[in-house]
Amino acid sequence: GAVVSQHPSRVICKSGTSVKIECRSLDFQATTMFWYRQFPKKSLMLMATSNEGSKATYEQGVEKDKFLINHASLTLSTLTVTSAHPEDSSFYICSARTSGASNEQFFGPGTRLTVL
Amino acid sequence: GQNIDQPTEMTATEGAIVQINCTYQTSGFNGLFWYQQHAGEAPTFLSYNVLDGLEEKGRFSSFLSRSKGYSYLLLKELQMKDSASYLCAVDTGRRALTFGSGTRLQVQP
Repeated sequence: GAVVSQHPSRVICKSGTSVKIECRSLDFQATTMFWYRQFPKKSLMLMATSNEGSKATYEQGVEKDKFLINHASLTLSTLTVTSAHPEDSSFYICSARTSGASNEQFFGPGTRLTVL
Repeated sequence: GQNIDQPTEMTATEGAIVQINCTYQTSGFNGLFWYQQHAGEAPTFLSYNVLDGLEEKGRFSSFLSRSKGYSYLLLKELQMKDSASYLCAVDTGRRALTFGSGTRLQVQP
């Protein structure tokens, strides 16, 4: 199956700093990638849809100025958590779909963000 | 709105069979997925149903009834390593997935 990578896998930062998370599709081109967040013992909640070459589409309640998304190429989307606060601590997971007819969605390994 | 319901927790015995149910009410339907997720890891794909009926894949089977808005995941010959969360997710036509809250399965010896 297709492979999606995320970097870093784990990050600890101080409150007020910004953190960038990268999501890459390694062996396929993804015109659309998705960013989810997951709190402990909760399910995945869609944050935004990242579209290559255009602005991301954010879900209701997600601040676009706080969670900056850039999808500069067909294999890379980045999520930047700006001015991070402890309540932003979470597990962030990206996923991508291939451009074909398949509906399968491939998930990255996730990034554990801890804001002190 | 979208509504996907699963039991929060289930317990089963090693070697047994367990069925995890999922009911959904969504504005659109392009298929239903089941994922397995171990703590601290990303979800891994288990199955996909878009037509009514049963899909079997080794020890795992998944069933869908679109008219009833119902699916189940059946796990046979349970192993200790099957202890994990199982996520039911629906493609509502937006390409992103809408997830249920997940079912934490504990397999006991």
